[in-house]
Amino acid sequence: AQSVTQLGSHVSVSEGALVLLRCNYSSSVPPYLFWYVQYPNQGLQLLLKYTSAATLVKGINGFEAEFKKSETSFHLTKPSAHMSDAAEYFCAVRNSGGSNYKLTFGKGTLLTVNP
Amino acid sequence: DAGITQSPRYKITETGRQVTLMCHQTWSHSYMFWYRQDLGHGLRLIYYSAAADITDKGEVPDGYVVSRSKTENFPLTLESATRSQTSVYFCASSEQRGGPLEQFFGPGTRLTVL
Repeated sequence: AQSVTQLGSHVSVSEGALVLLRCNYSSSVPPYLFWYVQYPNQGLQLLLKYTSAATLVKGINGFEAEFKKSETSFHLTKPSAHMSDAAEYFCAVRNSGGSNYKLTFGKGTLLTVNP
Repeated sequence: DAGITQSPRYKITETGRQVTLMCHQTWSHSYMFWYRQDLGHGLRLIYYSAAADITDKGEVPDGYVVSRSKTENFPLTLESATRSQTSVYFCASSEQRGGPLEQFFGPGTRLTVL
């Protein structure tokens, strides 16, 4: 069975500071990994996804994530936080094999950006 | 409009009543999903469907019923609503072909059961 752990349910940073949101996964086969963002009262929007083509993945709004197989991690980073980045972020995993199209989500990390 | 829509966006109902949440997508995606989002639990899968007339249970299916007579629609019914079903419900869809295809989410329905 696959699972996702997001360390830290709430992360607070100052505007302009580095954003680091942690995600660790477990999967019995090579995984597909995703980061989604949810703004207040909205649905989830894809930030980026890992497809095994490259370990460093660039997404929208200046975010990127690095896949580290040895650490089973897929942490999300952004060099300089902006007020508009305040949202909840979800990491998700899907097995690459078979016909299983289900995603397993982490419990989310709420990002607060302080002026 | 193209995309995935949910209706209603907000619903208040009483314990014991039947409620149906609608989901419609215009992409002709094969897969559709229903999630509920609760504080501290993230998103949990209720039911999913691989194609019209093919549905399967997810992580938390008890108390819910789904159907999928047409590819574009995937309604979720609470046959006898309970307070524990107060939640935000999200519908999502995905293509069937192989690869790391992401799920596309609707805007959600906030359901309150009194």
